[in-house]
Amino acid sequence: EPEVTQTPSHQVTQMGQEVILRCVPISNHLYFYWYRQILGQKVEFLVSFYNNEISEKSEIFDDQFSVERPDGSNFTLKIRSTKLEDSAMYFCASRQQGPLLGTEAFFGQGTRLTVV
Amino acid sequence: GESVGLHLPTLSVQEGDNSIINCAYSNSASDYFIWYKQESGKGPQFIIDIRSNMDKRQGQRVTVLLNKTVKHLSLQIAATQPGDSAVYFCAERTGNQFYFGTGTSLTVIP
Repeated sequence: EPEVTQTPSHQVTQMGQEVILRCVPISNHLYFYWYRQILGQKVEFLVSFYNNEISEKSEIFDDQFSVERPDGSNFTLKIRSTKLEDSAMYFCASRQQGPLLGTEAFFGQGTRLTVV
Repeated sequence: GESVGLHLPTLSVQEGDNSIINCAYSNSASDYFIWYKQESGKGPQFIIDIRSNMDKRQGQRVTVLLNKTVKHLSLQIAATQPGDSAVYFCAERTGNQFYFGTGTSLTVIP
């Protein structure tokens, strides 16, 4: 069964450092997402990406965040200068295009980011 | 902004009983709703979905009910099993965004 894969599973970084979280969406999917989940809280939307550009982003997704699809398979989230409050589980998701097919988003296992 | 919330943060049921998890949403423009299951340390896993033009949809052991009049969504799990223990999120889709509720933690007592 195809799945969304994320690496690494756990990333520890010092405050102020840059981190890149990596995702490989399902191969025939066209919409890509990053979500985050602070421990014990709900899943929060960060950004959606379609046709090689950001289609929507939330208030959380400020100038410290960026996304990129550097090749045909990877989808990355970069945090330029991490803050303590960036500590969370980050989920990548993807879905097919179209109103009838693949309307649900498939999630990866997540990357736990710990900023110290 | 959109708001999706759950009525109860925790729910405990006996193995074999039916479970009902409720969810309220606020955006009447949402056209699609999903229930996700999240086990500890894992990503949300799709369970079942329903479009806004439907009021009921059944899957294997699960049923989703949608009441647009009161903006309420519920997930019914029949014959709950220990493997059903997890956090359950409802999510609504508006455009291309998915908005998640806080989650209900379901514990199945053997």
